[in-house]
Amino acid sequence: DADVTQTPRNRITKTGKRIMLECSQTKGHDRMYWYRQDPGLGLRLIYYSFDVKDINKGEISDGYSVSRQAQAKFSLSLESAIPNQTALYFCATSDPAQGSDEWFFGPGTRLTVL
Amino acid sequence: AQSVTQLGSHVSVSEGALVLLRCNYSSSVPPYLFWYVQYPNQGLQLLLKYTSAATLVKGINGFEAEFKKSETSFHLTKPSAHMSDAAEYFCAVSPRNYQLIWGAGTKLIIKP
Repeated sequence: DADVTQTPRNRITKTGKRIMLECSQTKGHDRMYWYRQDPGLGLRLIYYSFDVKDINKGEISDGYSVSRQAQAKFSLSLESAIPNQTALYFCATSDPAQGSDEWFFGPGTRLTVL
Repeated sequence: AQSVTQLGSHVSVSEGALVLLRCNYSSSVPPYLFWYVQYPNQGLQLLLKYTSAATLVKGINGFEAEFKKSETSFHLTKPSAHMSDAAEYFCAVSPRNYQLIWGAGTKLIIKP
């Protein structure tokens, strides 16, 4: 089974709708992240969380919110979706305290806002 | 501010030829450096990483990269390209905090 899972994998929605993307991990990592990928721009950080009680904005947090329901779960919400939020969204985890320097990524959620 | 520059949004090589994907970074502290690969319609897979051990790092699928501090570079190479190497490659730098700063990506095209 995958260590980092994302649901849904694909979603088409309309402008103004509220959307939630979910991420779960079985790696036991404290740190979780949400990124969006746009062609030619690489990945940009939306929000990150170092533990359940810690939520921080990334470089492009406007229009998004997050919830860290448990160590293993980190959800991203678009309160009122707009077309320029059409992108590929990735959840990731890391945990330097476990001696790992790596980020581990989910498979991505492709979101289309019409 | 930290940044990553990947030269060439698209690189085209013939099957069997050398692959060279360029990555330059800026960082105020000794960084960790990563190369990730993304195959079409798939997620991100770690190819290799530099974390201040050996400067020549070997990764999966025959790829390697060399950390050159004086040139602030971490170029990715493979001696002989295979059709299955066609993908998008991302260089990323972590200045040893929460950040993972990404390059814009390079699409590798393999010609038969």
